[in-house]
Amino acid sequence: GAGVSQSPSNKVTEKGKDVELRCDPISGHTALYWYRQSLGQGLEFLIYFQGNSAPDKSGLPSDRFSAERTGGSVSTLTIQRTQQEDSAVYLCASSEGVLYEQYFGPGTRLTVT
Amino acid sequence: AQSVTQLGSHVSVSEGALVLLRCNYSSSVPPYLFWYVQYPNQGLQLLLKYTSAATLVKGINGFEAEFKKSETSFHLTKPSAHMSDAAEYFCAVSYGTNTGKSTFGDGTTLTVKP
Repeated sequence: GAGVSQSPSNKVTEKGKDVELRCDPISGHTALYWYRQSLGQGLEFLIYFQGNSAPDKSGLPSDRFSAERTGGSVSTLTIQRTQQEDSAVYLCASSEGVLYEQYFGPGTRLTVT
Repeated sequence: AQSVTQLGSHVSVSEGALVLLRCNYSSSVPPYLFWYVQYPNQGLQLLLKYTSAATLVKGINGFEAEFKKSETSFHLTKPSAHMSDAAEYFCAVSYGTNTGKSTFGDGTTLTVKP
């Protein structure tokens, strides 16, 4: 079956612009996660959804970051007024529920110039 | 706060040699522990997980890990390295049954020499 998909695969944007990153989880997966992977570093937890609600937003780096999930499926991560330090690979994962195996998407590579 | 430490950002072994990738966690409650692997130009995939059942966990591709509470460790091992094992490996920890928040280590890049 189809895995987790993310779009776009690459995004280059100018500093100060807003960007939207999309994640399509595996059908039926109730939990969805966003991570950020900077060059040479591990995965940084951003936020997770259980259904459409986000019980833990503590990982969002600043108020420029927001995420939503609709219909228990697609999720969008929005970064407003992008900064160069936002450049990273943004990974999405989904699972049948919390603590189940997370299936990762290929990521979106964001470059802020 | 939960944390994960992977000792050694780069590990190099010869083909056929033992692979040992170290992971230590901080915890005041029983953790759920995971090892993920990221092959070059591929996404992350689960190798194995510990969820309070058997302390020795077997995963895919011949890897296994042992949960040692006294040492707060969850080291990943494989008896004989193969060239195809070259990848980046991440240890991760989650706490409790009501949270999806995971903390990942910084990763260890495994190189396998012929």
